[in-house]
Formats: sequence, structure tokens, C-alpha cells
Amino acid sequence: DAGVTQSPTHLIKTRGQHVTLRCSPISGHKSVSWYQQVLGQGPQFIFQYYEKEERGRGNFPDRFSARQFPNYSSELNVNALLLGDSALYLCASSQTRTGGNTEAFFGQGTRLTVV
Amino acid sequence: SQKIEQNSEALNIQEGKTATLTCNYTNYSPAYLQWYRQDPGRGPVFLLLIRENEKEKRKERLKVTFDTTLKQSLFHITASQPADSATYLCALEMGGGADGLTFGKGTHLIIQP
Repeated sequence: DAGVTQSPTHLIKTRGQHVTLRCSPISGHKSVSWYQQVLGQGPQFIFQYYEKEERGRGNFPDRFSARQFPNYSSELNVNALLLGDSALYLCASSQTRTGGNTEAFFGQGTRLTVV
Repeated sequence: SQKIEQNSEALNIQEGKTATLTCNYTNYSPAYLQWYRQDPGRGPVFLLLIRENEKEKRKERLKVTFDTTLKQSLFHITASQPADSATYLCALEMGGGADGLTFGKGTHLIIQP
């Protein structure tokens, strides 16, 4: 079975540009979460979607947005990129809503570099 | 807001010994706590989940304890091997009605042959 897949794996963007990151969850999983991980830190929660509805939002500016499609795949969009947005962006899927009692399966991440 | 503390310094352990990692949290009383392993450039991999009413959980060479009074979890790897070298992350449910996990910074474990 395929795990969580993310695309692209690496990306270089210029300040002020827009970026779209994509995630396909494990087959049968209805929940997708997005995390940002900067070097030396743990993943920081950005969004969680379950059954195509937003179920949680972390402390990120409105430049960050996301959505989930009918096939449960998801996109994370970041507008007006800043140098500080450079990070590893992780997508995680789970069968149910991702609370503390649910195992999360992570993809390999998208390494975003803003120059 | 809740805060999770893990020893951010690297932990060096001799092969064959038991490695013990610590996760402390404040300002929250989670019902669940999770541990993940992360290798460089890769996404975290789930290892163990422990509930507040469970004092201890084991999986092969791994053992996790959860002390809700001390607000602390200990993660043990027995008979450690160089392949166990990685960063280990502690995670809690965010709480407050929001889904998602709050992670600690992680502890970098190095098992020396």
C-alpha cells in the first residue's frame, strides 16, 4: 500500500510569490493535517481537515490556507512568501480525526526554500 | 498555552545500553501522549501512544511511561543499537477543541558502537 505522498519534494521560490503544496493520504484515510517544521524544531500544526471540513487551525497568518478535495487529497497554499516560510512542510493522514488518540502517518515532506 | 519540553541536547549512549528520553509538559492535562521517530529529511514515524490511565506501554524494545502527576513521560529503548540513532519527538493532542498535535523539539539520540 502506498503511504502518504507529497509533491513536490523540493521547491525554491522567491519572496512575495505564491506556492501550492499537495498531499495524497493513505487510501481510506479521511483526515489530513499539515505541519511546518523549521530546522531544529518539532513540527508545528497548521491545519487539519476531516471529511473536507476544516477541523483545526494553528497559529499561522492568513497567508496560509488549505483545502481538502472529495477524494480526501489536500492542498496547502501560502501567499506572499517570506524568507521565514522556508521549512519542511509535512502532511499527515489518519483514519479518523487527528486527536491525541489517533496515530498519524506522515509523508516525506516538501522542502520549501524561499530566497 | 501548553508547552512541551524535551532535552534538545544530543544524547549519546553506548550500544547495548538503555536510552531514556524525557518529555515534560505544562499548562495542560492531556488524555493521550505519543512518541515519534524522525530521521534526517524524513517525516516522523509513529512509535507508541499511551493513555492517561495507562502507566506504562511496551512494544518490543521500547517502553513508555506516563506520569500525569509529574506531567512527564519517559521513553526507553533497551538494548540500544546504532540503527536507533534518530530524533525522537513527543506529541500531545492540542486540546481546546482543536484537532492536531503539539510536538516537542525532539531529542537527538546517538547510539555509539
